[in-house]
Amino acid sequence: DADVTQTPRNRITKTGKRIMLECSQTKGHDRMYWYRQDPGLGLRLIYYSFDVKDINKGEISDGYSVSRQAQAKFSLSLESAIPNQTALYFCATSSGGAHTEAFFGQGTRLTVV
Amino acid sequence: AQTVTQSQPEMSVQEAETVTLSCTYDTSESDYYLFWYKQPPSRQMILVIRQEAYKQQNATENRFSVNFQKAAKSFSLKISDSQLGDAAMYFCAYRSGVQAGTALIFGKGTTLSVSS
Repeated sequence: DADVTQTPRNRITKTGKRIMLECSQTKGHDRMYWYRQDPGLGLRLIYYSFDVKDINKGEISDGYSVSRQAQAKFSLSLESAIPNQTALYFCATSSGGAHTEAFFGQGTRLTVV
Repeated sequence: AQTVTQSQPEMSVQEAETVTLSCTYDTSESDYYLFWYKQPPSRQMILVIRQEAYKQQNATENRFSVNFQKAAKSFSLKISDSQLGDAAMYFCAYRSGVQAGTALIFGKGTTLSVSS
């Protein structure tokens, strides 16, 4: 099983619908992150969490919310999806050291029609 | 705020040849870490190599090496003896060493194609 698991892998939803992307990890890391990838824009940070009680906005948090249900679970919600939220979404985790790499899930391809 | 710039949206190389991907970054910090990630068509993000800013020696991982020029804020990736499996998008990333656990800041990526 993957260390960082995202569900679903692919999703098509309609404009205005609420959708939740889920992430769970078995790495035992306390840091978790949500990124969005768009062609030509790289990965941009949406939200990040240093522990269950600590949630922080990233570069592009508007239109998104998150929930850290447990150390191992970090979900991303789109309250009312819009077409320009069509993108590839990644969850990532890391331990506390700045030198450590981030471990990524397989990504969720979200299409809003 | 820190920024990462990859000026080459696309690069191509022939098998067995060497290619260099460019990355520059902007920061006022002295303590930081730099990474190169590979994203093949499977879209999985794979760490290729990392560099600690306090180390003068360039990092090397098999066929992958970096040219880290701290004063110039440059962090290029050299791939030697290129293989078809190296075809992917490559991202340069920065992480602050000032606050542990801060998020990676990514460049926009370079798509590398490898021809036989």
